[in-house]
Parts: sequence; C-alpha cells; structure tokens
Amino acid sequence: AQSVTQPDIHITVSEGASLELRCNYSYGATPYLFWYVQSPGQGLQLLLKYFSGDTLVQGIKGFEAEFKRSQSSFNLRKPSVHWSDAAEYFCAVGARDYKLSFGAGTTVTVRA
Amino acid sequence: NAGVMQNPRHLVRRRGQEARLRCSPMKGHSHVYWYRQLPEEGLKFMVYLQKENIIDESGMPKERFSAEFPKEGPSILRIQQVVRGDSAAYFCASSPGTSDNSEAFFGQGTRLTVV
Repeated sequence: AQSVTQPDIHITVSEGASLELRCNYSYGATPYLFWYVQSPGQGLQLLLKYFSGDTLVQGIKGFEAEFKRSQSSFNLRKPSVHWSDAAEYFCAVGARDYKLSFGAGTTVTVRA
Repeated sequence: NAGVMQNPRHLVRRRGQEARLRCSPMKGHSHVYWYRQLPEEGLKFMVYLQKENIIDESGMPKERFSAEFPKEGPSILRIQQVVRGDSAAYFCASSPGTSDNSEAFFGQGTRLTVV
C-alpha cells in the first residue's frame, strides 16, 4: 500500500527566511512523487514532480525538492519565502496512472 | 486554453437529496480523476475514468456514489441520498494520458455541504 506522511501540520516562517517541508512516503516500487500547493478556496497547483533521474528537482516559484530513497523522503525547500507562499502544501505519491495518495498537508504561514 | 472546470463551486444539499458534481476536463484531455478531501485531511483518490469507461473505481464508496464520463459532455460524480459525512471538497483532475510527461491538472473543486 502507498501512503504519505507530512509530519508538520503547521509551519510559521518569516518572510525572507528559508522553508523546508518534510514528506515521508511508503511505496512498494519506484515512486512517482509530487508536491502541490493549494491556496484558500483554490484548486491544487503542481509545484514539481519526480519520476526518475536527478534526485534534486526544480519546480515553479523557486521551489525545489530532493528525493532520498534511503530515507523514503521527498522534502520541499525554498531558500527565501515570500508572503504569497502562504498556503497549504501537499506531498503525494503514486504510480503512472495518477492514482495518487496525498499527505494530510502542511499549512505555511508567513509573517512579515 | 481553459483549465479544468468544475461546477458548482459550492453546493448545499439536505440529507437524503442527490448531489451532482460536474467536471469539464481541459481541452484535449481524455483522462479524468476524482478525489475527495475531507476536513483536515489530504485528498483521497476515488475514481479514474476515460471517455465512456471506468478504469479504476477502487476508491469509491460501495453505495450511493457513481461516476460517469460520457462521450459528449462533462464527467459527473453523483451522490445519492447524501449524508452529513459526505460533506467535503470534491476535486476533479484531468490529463492527456498517463505517460511520464503527462501532468494532471486539478480544478478548483466543489465544496459540498450536507445540512
């Protein structure tokens, strides 16, 4: 069975500071990993995805994530957050058919 | 190119009524996926459809829920005799296929409230 754990329910970070969101997954084969962002009342927007190749993945809005097979992790990072990054972030794992399993999400609050 | 369109955005139903949620995929996309997001939880896969076919409905509750994606028109998620526990956000996603380069785009969701 596939599953995702996002250990941090809520993170508060100062504008301009770095951000790291944790994601641990359980999957029986080579995982397809995704990070999505959801702003209030909006749908999900894909930030980045990992299928194979380079384990450091660059995404939109200055985000990156690193796949670490030995740790079953796919943590999301951003060097300097902006107020507009306040949102809920979801890590997901799945197979090519997009039957994705999502974590419960991490809410990011950005303080001035 | 319009994105994935879901309507209505908000839907209120009384217990026992039927709820119909619509999803128009992006142009050129023939694969549709429905997910449900319960309060304080992540999205849970419900069903995967292609035109006129249900490919995988392993996430659908066994009773009261059904989905279709007809040859013409939007995909419909139908919930009969709704109960309070059906209150959730229902998201639809579409993709052109299932290759590594395919990306699933999500709609803005329909927020169902059962009173």
